[in-house]
Amino acid sequence: QSALTQPPSASGSPGQSVTISCTGTSSDVGGYDYVSWYQQHPGKAPKLMIYEVTKRPSGVPDRFSGSKSGNTASLTVSGLQAEDGADYYCSSYADSHNLGVFGGGTKLTVL
Amino acid sequence: EVQLVQSGAEVKKPGESLKISCKASGYSFANFWIGWVRQMPGRGLEWMGIIYPGESDATYSPAFQGQVTISADKSLSAASLQWSSLKASDTAIYYCARPMMLREVVITIDYWGQGTLVTVSS
Repeated sequence: QSALTQPPSASGSPGQSVTISCTGTSSDVGGYDYVSWYQQHPGKAPKLMIYEVTKRPSGVPDRFSGSKSGNTASLTVSGLQAEDGADYYCSSYADSHNLGVFGGGTKLTVL
Repeated sequence: EVQLVQSGAEVKKPGESLKISCKASGYSFANFWIGWVRQMPGRGLEWMGIIYPGESDATYSPAFQGQVTISADKSLSAASLQWSSLKASDTAIYYCARPMMLREVVITIDYWGQGTLVTVSS
């Protein structure tokens, strides 16, 4: 069982927006602004999409955005494109794990 | 350009030993933490541990403490992950990862290797 809770699946049609949640506790997501999101296509390594809740690394489209409210962080993908279909994982710094904790992952399907 | 290039896929039998590697380039290897993340078949990501090559100081997740050994060779700019006795449950993809750190705490992972598939089967 993963430390952070994500829905197993999400979907949306091209052009639509979809939001993926990541729920933790006050000891991880809620207590620190160190939430990251990674995208993983089948057979590929994860790729950093969002870090420190809202920051985008260079090269990541601004269609990807992050936010946080209380113990839940969210990744929103706007203007869905076919290539956005992938698994998405959240992670957070946690009091009890100096290496951080991951969510179980969400499979995003672009219909 | 930062690159982490991992060694190739391995097929081993239970009880055998194994060492996989990750060759880093494009940055000062000794000055950045580097670590390993496990992904079991069809499952999520798990931190195994990290090491600071400049001091060979390794930190392990509790689940992996005593199960694996993480090392780094500054002269080769390479990190390694080693098992002394593999189990079938070690079958997974192992990613080399360079975390962004803040005071010895992992903030995020900004660079990943391509992954090494380890299959343990009799």
